[in-house]
Amino acid sequence: GQQLNQSPQSMFIQEGEDVSMNCTSSSIFNTWLWYKQDPGEGPVLLIALYKAGELTSNGRLTAQFGITRKDSFLNISASIPSDVGIYFCAGLNTGNQFYFGTGTSLTVIP
Amino acid sequence: DGGITQSPKYLFRKEGQNVTLSCEQNLNHDAMYWYRQDPGQGLRLIYYSQIVNDFQKGDIAEGYSVSREKKESFPLTVTSAQKNPTAFYLCASSSPSWEQYFGPGTRLTVT
Repeated sequence: GQQLNQSPQSMFIQEGEDVSMNCTSSSIFNTWLWYKQDPGEGPVLLIALYKAGELTSNGRLTAQFGITRKDSFLNISASIPSDVGIYFCAGLNTGNQFYFGTGTSLTVIP
Repeated sequence: DGGITQSPKYLFRKEGQNVTLSCEQNLNHDAMYWYRQDPGQGLRLIYYSQIVNDFQKGDIAEGYSVSREKKESFPLTVTSAQKNPTAFYLCASSSPSWEQYFGPGTRLTVT
């Protein structure tokens, strides 16, 4: 099955810095979802995007649905230690199947 | 509290034994899914069900079986035919607007 290209694979940042990550695909998606997963736990839905160009925020998190419908971006502003975890994207294609990125591991240094 | 429950959290089995993982949701979602997560890989779809009494194979269905007799429940059986069953298994359901929610996961270890 198709997996999405997600970058970067890992990030080490200082507390207070902003973070950016993205997902790209060779196919068009109708929906983009962003998740955070802590070790040994299930992923938690952060943001859902439904239209090309859409920009949606959830607290310090902002995500965008790319204009080409083949990519999406997640930004975290003013990072804090509890932001540590693995973030991954999911895209819903025109056949209503979900595909997932391999994740970005975020480490926040206090 | 609405959500998805999976049990048990940890499961240990001997090679050659079938094992069933439980998944229950009270979100009133029609669609439910089973994924497998291995280190360094994205989630891979095992089976999904869009409606009661109907389900379809995902990308890695070999060695697994499911049933969907009730809207709330979508159990997954890992059979002895699955060659590499040790993994973290995640159940999910999705809303009509395609927001997909996950359970807490079951870590299966087969020795």
